Amino acid sequence: QKEVEQDPGPLSVPEGAIVSLNCTYSNSAFQYFMWYRQYSRKGPELLMYTYSSGNKEDGRFTAQVDKSSKYISLFIRDSQPSDSATYLCAMSASSGGSNYKLTFGKGTLLTVNP
Amino acid sequence: ETGVTQTPRHLVMGMTNKKSLKCEQHLGHNAMYWYKQSAKKPLELMFVYNFKEQTENNSVPSRFSPECPNSSHLFLHLHTLQPEDSALYLCASSQEGSSYNEQFFGPGTRLTVL
Repeated sequence: QKEVEQDPGPLSVPEGAIVSLNCTYSNSAFQYFMWYRQYSRKGPELLMYTYSSGNKEDGRFTAQVDKSSKYISLFIRDSQPSDSATYLCAMSASSGGSNYKLTFGKGTLLTVNP
Repeated sequence: ETGVTQTPRHLVMGMTNKKSLKCEQHLGHNAMYWYKQSAKKPLELMFVYNFKEQTENNSVPSRFSPECPNSSHLFLHLHTLQPEDSALYLCASSQEGSSYNEQFFGPGTRLTVL
């Protein structure tokens, strides 16, 4: 079983739709959960970060973590064509003090059509 | 220059060539990373440097040789590569000791091995 599973899509939605992106994981030691956004020909950039279980909202974006189900989600409300990108989930098992690895999903390619 | 820069952006090389990828971070960070991004696969961590010391070599073949002369610069020396090494090579940096390890990525070098 892969450590992090993410449906690669592609996912195509009309402008204004609510988008749901998801990852599942197997390592119960993961406690930091991140969503990165990667535009074409660019490197990934951190979009949202969550520690342990719960929800976090930032504008049109909401990140949810359910550690009991080992399941994380990113919701995008009122999606815009500028949201078209690849979304990568990433997670890690330890915090600051020493370097640690991020384990990434494969990424989901999202296209928002005007 | 701001953030993390990488040169060259594109590289085509034969299997017998020797080339180097360069990464520079302008963020004052003390940790730097090389990742490999292949189609339909998660980001693969290759090497980690912390305060110029290599702290992670993720079972990378010896045809990839990293060099970190200081905390701002990172190189990846390439020799006798294989066609399956064709991928996007991403450099990232982060601040050791932060509460969570946000990694800042460069735009990547698109490598094609003929």
